[in-house]
Amino acid sequence: DSGVTQTPKHLITATGQRVTLRCSPRSGDLSVYWYQQSLDQGLQFLIQYYNGEERAKGNILERFSAQQFPDLHSELNLSSLELGDSALYFCASSVRRTAVTGELFFGEGSRLTVL
Amino acid sequence: AQRVTQPEKLLSVFKGAPVELKCNYSYSGSPELFWYVQYSRQRLQLLLRHISRESIKGFTADLNKGETSFHLKKPFAQEEDSAMYYCAPKGEGQNFVFGPGTRLSVLP
Repeated sequence: DSGVTQTPKHLITATGQRVTLRCSPRSGDLSVYWYQQSLDQGLQFLIQYYNGEERAKGNILERFSAQQFPDLHSELNLSSLELGDSALYFCASSVRRTAVTGELFFGEGSRLTVL
Repeated sequence: AQRVTQPEKLLSVFKGAPVELKCNYSYSGSPELFWYVQYSRQRLQLLLRHISRESIKGFTADLNKGETSFHLKKPFAQEEDSAMYYCAPKGEGQNFVFGPGTRLSVLP
């Protein structure tokens, strides 16, 4: 499957802990986007990387950070976790820097539960 | 500020009835408008984009710049249309802003 892959699918952890979510974009896609979807909320844009560099930042907390590696996979690091960080975290990719064609390709998401 | 609203969290219609999912946006400039859909146990995916003026799975969406709306319509809903629908405007050189979503439930 050459689509966007995210690991882990599910993650349960405790408050104060740190987790890393991983995303591999579609083959050939250079842009990676991270979104957070909390209960009853829409998708909140967190951050975008293009070809290894940060391109755009949304509502990402200082406790969160991300990076894109030379092989184009990306990791989202969430630290000092709080109950409110429980959410579905989506990764999406697109070919170009600004998704000119208008299409984002999404992964299945990583469901984080903070207890 | 960029904002998109989808006033209905949940919309239930009977099979064969017309359906309209509303989307209003507040955006500087002239954004492109898209609808994304997430079926049960599937990934979020693009449904249609206004620039293509296309009909996908019987759905169409009309951009009304005066009312800043981009409502999604289908004349005869089918059970397989049950899903979560997100309106998503996108400014040039900017990222998508997703609305809160509307869950469409098509009843038999």
